[in-house]
Amino acid sequence: DSGVTQTPKHLITATGQRVTLRCSPRSGDLSVYWYQQSLDQGLQFLIQYYNGEERAKGNILERFSAQQFPDLHSELNLSSLELGDSALYFCASSAGPGTGGTEAFFGQGTRLTVV
Amino acid sequence: AQKVTQAQTEISVVEKEDVTLDCVYETRDTTYYLFWYKQPPSGELVFLIRRNSFDEQNEISGRYSWNFQKSTSSFNFTITASQVVDSAVYFCALRPRETSGSRLTFGEGTQLTVNP
Repeated sequence: DSGVTQTPKHLITATGQRVTLRCSPRSGDLSVYWYQQSLDQGLQFLIQYYNGEERAKGNILERFSAQQFPDLHSELNLSSLELGDSALYFCASSAGPGTGGTEAFFGQGTRLTVV
Repeated sequence: AQKVTQAQTEISVVEKEDVTLDCVYETRDTTYYLFWYKQPPSGELVFLIRRNSFDEQNEISGRYSWNFQKSTSSFNFTITASQVVDSAVYFCALRPRETSGSRLTFGEGTQLTVNP
């Protein structure tokens, strides 16, 4: 058990819909990262938050947004869903910037299927 | 820019064979960190090891060993006496040491199948 909790584990929804994925980082970790894993794109970095603030952005679509709350949990919002958004979405946490050597621990992922 | 290359897409071995997974990276940073993660069929990403760029000492953990060679920008992973439970996708990853936050850049992964 990595200590990172993601809910839900599975999500099936229709095109055009909006979903919210939730992540609780490991106790004490201030940084949260979101990654998308699809068959054709591999593991892609989406966005990072540190202590409530956006810190880095990767290949995140404009239809996607995220935030980190004061209790440090994070949510990834996916809207106007398309078939191509079907993927495994991972959340990871680490101690945070300045501690770049610390490993990131991943949650079990949310498997999103858009039909 | 960071890049990680795992040239072996799939490897299939028979139980008890030794197997080496290759990882080559590119970075302009002088200080960086390398990682290996395991993704078993259940899907989660499991952290295996972190190696700092300033520490080229190889590491052994049970049946696992890692060979870091800065001169060739490689960080290879060897499983000795493989077992069926080692079957998984293995990812090599790179992270620069930045004060503003460090994302992981992953390789494409190597699917390892260990047959009984």
